[in-house]
Amino acid sequence: DIQLTQSPSFLSASVGDRVTIACRASQDISGHLAWYQEKPGKAPKVVIYSAFTLQSGVPSRFSGSGSGTEFTLTISSLQPEDFATYYCQQLKSYPLTFGGGTKVEIK
Amino acid sequence: EVQLLESGGGLVQPGGSLRLSCAASGFTFNTYAMTWVRQAPGKGLEWVSTIREGGGNTYYADSVKGRFTISRDDSRSTLYLQMSSLRAEDTAIYYCAQYQRGSSYFFAYWGQGSLVTVSS
Repeated sequence: DIQLTQSPSFLSASVGDRVTIACRASQDISGHLAWYQEKPGKAPKVVIYSAFTLQSGVPSRFSGSGSGTEFTLTISSLQPEDFATYYCQQLKSYPLTFGGGTKVEIK
Repeated sequence: EVQLLESGGGLVQPGGSLRLSCAASGFTFNTYAMTWVRQAPGKGLEWVSTIREGGGNTYYADSVKGRFTISRDDSRSTLYLQMSSLRAEDTAIYYCAQYQRGSSYFFAYWGQGSLVTVSS
């Protein structure tokens, strides 16, 4: 099974900060990685897929990069509505797996 | 507008069974793979199961294999998850999601979830 390790698990930041979340895969997943945003009481929603493709409707301050085993999600200027938990997910092979999540909180 | 509406959750005793349903609308259901994801209280997301378009291929997490069965009724645009031999650790919100496959792979749309509580 492919394991995904996210870091950090918790992040405290201010509005306007640049934020980077890392996701490391235990084996090569090429570009088969998605990032999801989850807010309390709401279903997760995809923000980035195929490692770097911005989902329609998602603000351009979100970006993704990486391939193989190392990936990052970057928010260039954190906004109040971005405070949430973010998960990476590999879709290279079954079982499909998620990272442990990164909670982004207001400093 | 794509909509996914889960139902069937509730309180069940350990060892019991439950069937979740996910009614889909706003897209051509029979051309998409569908999936179930769960989230235990205070925990992260866990993929549970996927069924390919046509229903011929199904996949399960080891934690539910042999106990859960995913199925679909394309005539009703509905996805199902039959859960049996339920355990306390199956307590979670269960989400159904549309699985976008092809040139890109991701869970494109999610339902609001259905809470399953396994407790005596």
